[in-house]
Amino acid sequence: SYELTQPPSVSVSPGQTARITCSGDPLPKQYAYWYQKKPGQAPVLVIYKDSERPSGIPERFFGSGSGTTVTLTISGVQAEDEADYYCQSADTSGTYVVFGGGTKLTVL
Amino acid sequence: EVQLVESGGGLVKPGGSLRLSCAASGFIFSNAWMSWVRQAPGKGLEWVGRVRSKADGGTSDYAAPVKGRFTISRDDSKNTLYLQMNSLKTEDTAVYYCTTVGDDRYRSGFDCWGQGTLVTVSS
Repeated sequence: SYELTQPPSVSVSPGQTARITCSGDPLPKQYAYWYQKKPGQAPVLVIYKDSERPSGIPERFFGSGSGTTVTLTISGVQAEDEADYYCQSADTSGTYVVFGGGTKLTVL
Repeated sequence: EVQLVESGGGLVKPGGSLRLSCAASGFIFSNAWMSWVRQAPGKGLEWVGRVRSKADGGTSDYAAPVKGRFTISRDDSKNTLYLQMNSLKTEDTAVYYCTTVGDDRYRSGFDCWGQGTLVTVSS
């Protein structure tokens, strides 16, 4: 098994850009996914296959990657974006799913 | 519309057992690989395990903390996923979600989730 490492928290003012990183050794070989999780609600997939956006997800959500780090960028952050964000990937065999520890995004 | 509805959560003593169910509708359940994900209070998301479709062997994989204690199974005739939890520990206390990839374009991204069911392990 392996770990995905995220910063515990990120804070930005409304309208600014938030960047949340996720680091892990298999990331160059395995796709990364990002979820938004609000209290009392099920997670919502916001990025799949490193940089693709599911239908219905605003264009301000952007995924990118370089080497062992992937980044979720939220441009023009809005108050409704305040949530916990989790990256997800798999081990090198693709057998085991792993989530990052999560990043709490605070909109000041 | 895809729907996943979990049930079976509740309060159980350490060492006890509990079986969760997840009723699925709105998609071809028998073709889907189904997973369980949990979130302990104040903690992050944790993948529990998955069961493959019968066409892909019907086998299961488990995260290390639950391997040997939890069993994931499916009844395709009832469109239902199960999580049998034995030898429960206090650290298994969590909201348990069933989830699947509803659109093949999303590869391994879980875009379909149930509302979750709370399991509390306490004496």
